[in-house]
Amino acid sequence: GAVVSQHPSWVICKSGTSVKIECRSLDFQATTMFWYRQFPKQSLMLMATSNEGSKATYEQGVEKDKFLINHASLTLSTLTVTSAHPEDSSFYICSAKGAEAFFGQGTRLTVV
Amino acid sequence: AQSVTQPDIHITVSEGASLELRCNYSYGATPYLFWYVQSPGQGLQLLLKYFSGDTLVQGIKGFEAEFKRSQSSFNLRKPSVHWSDAAEYFCAVGGMGQGGKLIFGQGTELSVKP
Repeated sequence: GAVVSQHPSWVICKSGTSVKIECRSLDFQATTMFWYRQFPKQSLMLMATSNEGSKATYEQGVEKDKFLINHASLTLSTLTVTSAHPEDSSFYICSAKGAEAFFGQGTRLTVV
Repeated sequence: AQSVTQPDIHITVSEGASLELRCNYSYGATPYLFWYVQSPGQGLQLLLKYFSGDTLVQGIKGFEAEFKRSQSSFNLRKPSVHWSDAAEYFCAVGGMGQGGKLIFGQGTELSVKP
């Protein structure tokens, strides 16, 4: 099946710093990618839809200035958590839309 | 409103026993239905999906699911559970017009007793 690679798998950062997470579709082109957030023992909540070459579409309640999404190419979308705070600690998962949605391995972000 | 409900937060079954995980959905258009499995700290792996056609779909690892439109359900089944099946299972719904955007259920954690 198609492969979506997410990097890094885990990251620890200090409060107030920014963290970038990459999502790559390795063997197909994805005009659309999705970013989800998952709190411990909870389901995945869609944060935003990333479209190549255009602005991302954010779900209600998601701060677009805090969670910057860039989809500069057909194989790469990035999520930057700006001025991270401990409450941003979570598991972030991307998916890329090919014939179906393929998911990355996820990124565990811990803000200390 | 579009939603997915997995009524069972946690299920424990004995190894070798049969398994059924429940999923009910509410969706305004023709639903595309999915079951994913997630191991701790990992991403999601697709078990199976239903788009159209035969309402009983076969997936990987011996799983199957049956789409019942009248009951708005898409329950996941496995005849004989293995210890390695212990994980979190998510049901999700999307639609052709949604461009691949999925709505997930709350998840069911499966534990397997020896």
